[in-house]
Formats: sequence, C-alpha cells, structure tokens
Amino acid sequence: EIVLTQSPDFQSVTPKEKVTITCRASQNIGTSLHWYQQKPDQSPKLLIKYASQSISGVPSRFSGSGSGTDFTLTINSLEAEDAAAYYCHQSSSLPYTFGQGTKLEIK
Amino acid sequence: QVQLVQSGAEVKKPGASVKVSCVASGYTFSYYSMHWVRQAPGQSLEWMGWINAGNGNAEFSQKFQGRVTITWDTSASTAYMELRSLKSEDTAVYYCARDELGIDYWGQGTLVTVSS
Repeated sequence: EIVLTQSPDFQSVTPKEKVTITCRASQNIGTSLHWYQQKPDQSPKLLIKYASQSISGVPSRFSGSGSGTDFTLTINSLEAEDAAAYYCHQSSSLPYTFGQGTKLEIK
Repeated sequence: QVQLVQSGAEVKKPGASVKVSCVASGYTFSYYSMHWVRQAPGQSLEWMGWINAGNGNAEFSQKFQGRVTITWDTSASTAYMELRSLKSEDTAVYYCARDELGIDYWGQGTLVTVSS
C-alpha cells in the first residue's frame, strides 16, 4: 500500500498569504496524485488532478507541482473562503490512498 | 452536470448490516468505475473498494475484505455498498465517488452511526 504523508498537519495563516502544502509518497507514483479541498460538512472537491492539471471552475490561485514521490499544493494570495482541510490522493495503484490531511485556519 | 445522490443517514446496532445506495446522473453510468470511501469523525479519508467499469468486478481494501459488498445496477444508474457485522468503529460518513483515473466527483455522503 502506498502511504501518503502530508505536511503540515495544521497551519494558521492570514489572508493574502501564500500557502504551501506538501505530500510525500512512499514510492514512485509518477504524476498520479490529486488534491482535494473539504469544508466542514461537505464532500471533498477536486482542486488539482495529475499533480498539476487545473480543474475548470477552481480559482487560479490554486496550483500543483511535483512528480515521483514529492508533490506540492500552492495557494497564492489566500482568501478567507479557503479555510478547509486539504487532502492528497494517489491513483497509481490499488488500494487507493489518501494523505492524513492538512487543516488550514484563517486568522 | 454530474451528480451522485446517496441514500439517507442510518443508525444501526453492532452486528447489523447497512446498505448505502448512490444514484448517478449527468453521465453514462457504466463507462466509469465507482469507488466507496469513508471518513470517520475528525479523520481522513479511507478507501474501501470499487467496482471496475472495465470488467464489472469489485475489488476491496484488505481491511474490509469479507465484510463489504459493492454492486451496481447499470439499468438504474445506481451503485450499492453493503457493510456487514458492523462495529462502533464503523461509525463514519460513507461516500460514493466516480473514477476517472482518479476520483473526480463525490456523492454528498451518508452518515452511518453504529450504536447499541
């Protein structure tokens, strides 16, 4: 099973700040890594697919990068509505797995 | 637009079974595999299994092997997940989620509470 480890677990940030969340895979997954945002009492929402591909309707301040075992989600100029939990997910091999999540709090 | 609408919340006693349904619309149901993922209170997401659209077969996480059944009725565009021998630790929100070489769309979730 591929283990995904995110960092940090929690971050408190101010609006307009730039945020970087990392996800490390326990083995090479190429670019089969996706990022989701989950707000309280909502389903996860796809933000970035295949490490860096943007999703229609997702604000351009969200971007992703990386390949192999190290990946990054970047949020430029954070907005209050970005307060949420963020998860990475690999679809390289079954069983699919998720990172433990990063909770973003807006100060 | 793609929509996955799940059945309502359930309360079950330990040892019982639960069956959650997921009705899909907005796309050709049988072209896409369907995953089931759960999330215990305050926890991350946990993949349970999927039904593979390519061959119609279901595969499961080893953790749930023997306790979970995933099926679908393509004529009704509906997927099902049944979990048996429920324990208190199975209390969670259960999601169906469509696969497009990775999960793209999610159902709204079904809360299953296991309590005596």
